[in-house]
Amino acid sequence: AQKITQTQPGMFVQEKEAVTLDCTYDTSDQSYGLFWYKQPSSGEMIFLIYQGSYDEQNATEGRYSLNFQKARKSANLVISASQLGDSAMYFCAMREGGKGGFKTIFGAGTRLFVKA
Amino acid sequence: GAVVSQHPSRVICKSGTSVKIECRSLDFQATTMFWYRQFPKKSLMLMATSNEGSKATYEQGVEKDKFLINHASLTLSTLTVTSAHPEDSSFYICSADTVNYGYTFGSGTRLTVV
Repeated sequence: AQKITQTQPGMFVQEKEAVTLDCTYDTSDQSYGLFWYKQPSSGEMIFLIYQGSYDEQNATEGRYSLNFQKARKSANLVISASQLGDSAMYFCAMREGGKGGFKTIFGAGTRLFVKA
Repeated sequence: GAVVSQHPSRVICKSGTSVKIECRSLDFQATTMFWYRQFPKKSLMLMATSNEGSKATYEQGVEKDKFLINHASLTLSTLTVTSAHPEDSSFYICSADTVNYGYTFGSGTRLTVV
């Protein structure tokens, strides 16, 4: 079963507009962490934002904010004032504990295209 | 900030040879390093978790004898692809858990086996 679901393979957004990238997750753990990463064409993975399962407030980092809805098990990424440099692949990820220790599982990703 | 240096960034090797990929944590100690594989336009697939001074934990379906992982020190983890074949061609990337809550990734290694 999919643990991290990103239903948008590709998204287009106009420069300077805001965009929301969807992510839903599935876990039975009470304690877990949710991450968003950006992967440009160069391949590097860039950490954007983190939300802990016990955090009551939504995480924000500059133009990035995470819309955390625990009951719905969703952790959508909102990018405000999109820039051309935001065009990249975006991955939602979840860290949860297990027998072998903590593991991070990645969603399939959403490719974001920012139009001038 | 926490930096993980990964080398080489690109490597082309002949079928049947072995390739070693290194990941070094430059300004912090990484007791645990994660190794991922990424196929084109696909997500990251966790291959194994390496722990300093102990054997790596491999994910189901990952061949331990083909993908040798060594974590000899708190700042160095290596992945060796042994007897590489064209189907091993992929993007390999490591990550380490930093003191803060984020994972830091290496820059990745694009392996092409010809």
